[in-house]
Amino acid sequence: AQRVTQPEKLLSVFKGAPVELKCNYSYSGSPELFWYVQYSRQRLQLLLRHISRESIKGFTADLNKGETSFHLKKPFAQEEDSAMYYCAQTKAAGNKLTFGGGTRVLVKP
Amino acid sequence: NAGVTQTPKFRILKIGQSMTLQCAQDMNHNYMYWYRQDPGMGLKLIYYSVGAGITDKGEVPNGYNVSRSTTEDFPLRLELAAPSQTSVYFCASSSGTGGTEAFFGQGTRLTVV
Repeated sequence: AQRVTQPEKLLSVFKGAPVELKCNYSYSGSPELFWYVQYSRQRLQLLLRHISRESIKGFTADLNKGETSFHLKKPFAQEEDSAMYYCAQTKAAGNKLTFGGGTRVLVKP
Repeated sequence: NAGVTQTPKFRILKIGQSMTLQCAQDMNHNYMYWYRQDPGMGLKLIYYSVGAGITDKGEVPNGYNVSRSTTEDFPLRLELAAPSQTSVYFCASSSGTGGTEAFFGQGTRLTVV
């Protein structure tokens, strides 16, 4: 079964500090990995996907197949980054989308 | 641009009652999903559909039923509601092509008392 693990439920950092959210996946093939974010009182929305190799709002994520990880990083956290972050994977295009347990990020001033 | 629309936004049910959570999307997406979000537990997949007439179970399907008679609609039926079904329910849709983004509804907060 597909499984996505986010070991940290809460990350609290000061503004300007680096932040890294860990994500490990279980699928041994070629997964599609995503990070979704849910800001307070807003819908869950896509932050970035591994196939795009993009940086969104200063966040980047690198797929490491050897470690089956897809950690999300930002060098300088901002207060507006405070939100719930979910790592997600599918096995193939449009297959069922499986989420991790989520990590709440709190950026303190 | 409506996207994914869920109704109702809030509902209180008594134990044993039934209800249908509605979900509609106007993006002509083939793939639709239902998730529940429990506090501190992340999103768990209840059911999903890869097209009209096709549905499949996710991680936590017990106590729920779905149907997909049209591309646009994917209702979730709760029969004999139980307190364990108190949760926030999210519907989502995607086109199903590579690296596709899933679009989410605003959620339905359900309390079973």
